[in-house]
Amino acid sequence: GAVVSQHPSRVICKSGTSVKIECRSLDFQATTMFWYRQFPKQSLMLMATSNEGSKATYEQGVEKDKFLINHASLTLSTLTVTSAHPEDSSFYICSASALRDEQFFGPGTRLTVL
Amino acid sequence: KNEVEQSPQNLTAQEGEFITINCSYSVGISALHWLQQHPGGGIVSLFMLSSGKKKHGRLIATINIQEKHSSLHITASHPRDSAVYICARGSYNTDKLIFGTGTRLQVFP
Repeated sequence: GAVVSQHPSRVICKSGTSVKIECRSLDFQATTMFWYRQFPKQSLMLMATSNEGSKATYEQGVEKDKFLINHASLTLSTLTVTSAHPEDSSFYICSASALRDEQFFGPGTRLTVL
Repeated sequence: KNEVEQSPQNLTAQEGEFITINCSYSVGISALHWLQQHPGGGIVSLFMLSSGKKKHGRLIATINIQEKHSSLHITASHPRDSAVYICARGSYNTDKLIFGTGTRLQVFP
């Protein structure tokens, strides 16, 4: 089956630093990758949709200068949380898609900003 | 009102019990997803269906397009089935998924 990895799985950083999270599709080429954020006991919230080679489309209320997304290849997308603050602490999940209606989810990255 | 409603929100069961989780949605869909999220956080895609019924091991998913309703059944439940089960709908005019709020299942030995 399709496998999506994320790295790192956990990261703890100091306030003001930037953190990069990688999302890779390991055995298929993903034309579209999605980035989600999840707070405790809440559902996934879509942050942005990225297509390979083009700029990401951000959801309303998500700051694109704060959450930089790069989808440089068909197997890799990165999310960079710039100048992270404690309120950015959350669980970030990516998913990857090659076909419409199909999404394969990564294992998630737990970010803690001190 | 959420576009995707799940019930129940919380469910406890004894090992071996048959479990049903329900999902209702309000608009036409391209596909309906059932996802599983374990306490560690990772999400596993269980089913994607647009009609009828699918079965994988002890899991069965059904969908009734006319009634805009889907169910996830777990037969012979086991403590390792304890997780949050999420349904999500796709739509015709976007790649985005709309998620339900999830059903937290605990299966006790």
